[in-house]
Amino acid sequence: SAVISQKPSRDICQRGTSLTIQCQVDSQVTMMFWYRQQPGQSLTLIATANQGSEATYESGFVIDKFPISRPNLTFSTLTVSNMSPEDSSIYLCSVLGRRSYEQYFGPGTRLTVT
Amino acid sequence: AQKVTQAQTEISVVEKEDVTLDCVYETRDTTYYLFWYKQPPSGELVFLIRRNSFDEQNEISGRYSWNFQKSTSSFNFTITASQVVDSAVYFCALSEETSGSRLTFGEGTQLTVNP
Repeated sequence: SAVISQKPSRDICQRGTSLTIQCQVDSQVTMMFWYRQQPGQSLTLIATANQGSEATYESGFVIDKFPISRPNLTFSTLTVSNMSPEDSSIYLCSVLGRRSYEQYFGPGTRLTVT
Repeated sequence: AQKVTQAQTEISVVEKEDVTLDCVYETRDTTYYLFWYKQPPSGELVFLIRRNSFDEQNEISGRYSWNFQKSTSSFNFTITASQVVDSAVYFCALSEETSGSRLTFGEGTQLTVNP
């Protein structure tokens, strides 16, 4: 499986500000995904990030709110813009493993918006 | 559209008991993949198993076993002789071949194993 790290591991932010979350993988991967897990709830896919192309967003998520970069095959960032308390969640990045359709997750970023 | 249902929100057992976590899925694809993940209190999501739709063989890994039945669209997970360290939220997830590896998760089951 891939080794995935995320920065920051947690943060407390003020309403109206933005936070950029980094995801680093120890090997080159084609597809990276960003998920959100609101308190006490399941995971919801925000977008799929492929290197060299625009991210593909799921219904209910827009690029202006969650801009994503994917500059190379080992790195991606997710920005949570103009934050509100409703954005308080765990944000997780994931990648496909070498074996098709096995998806591995980073440790997550716990975001609290006050 | 794909959907995963984990009807058990919370389960509490005493150590050494066996426990089964239920997962029912819906999909129109003939090729799909089913997963189980464990999320301990630390929050990290730990991959447990992947099963493709063409392989209905049950699988056993130590104290863990999985029962996949296409006839009932179920992919249940059993922990034998549960331990306190098994306490976590367990998620069942589905990925359709036509969905580009996107995972749809169930709501999760909180398992508490008491000493």
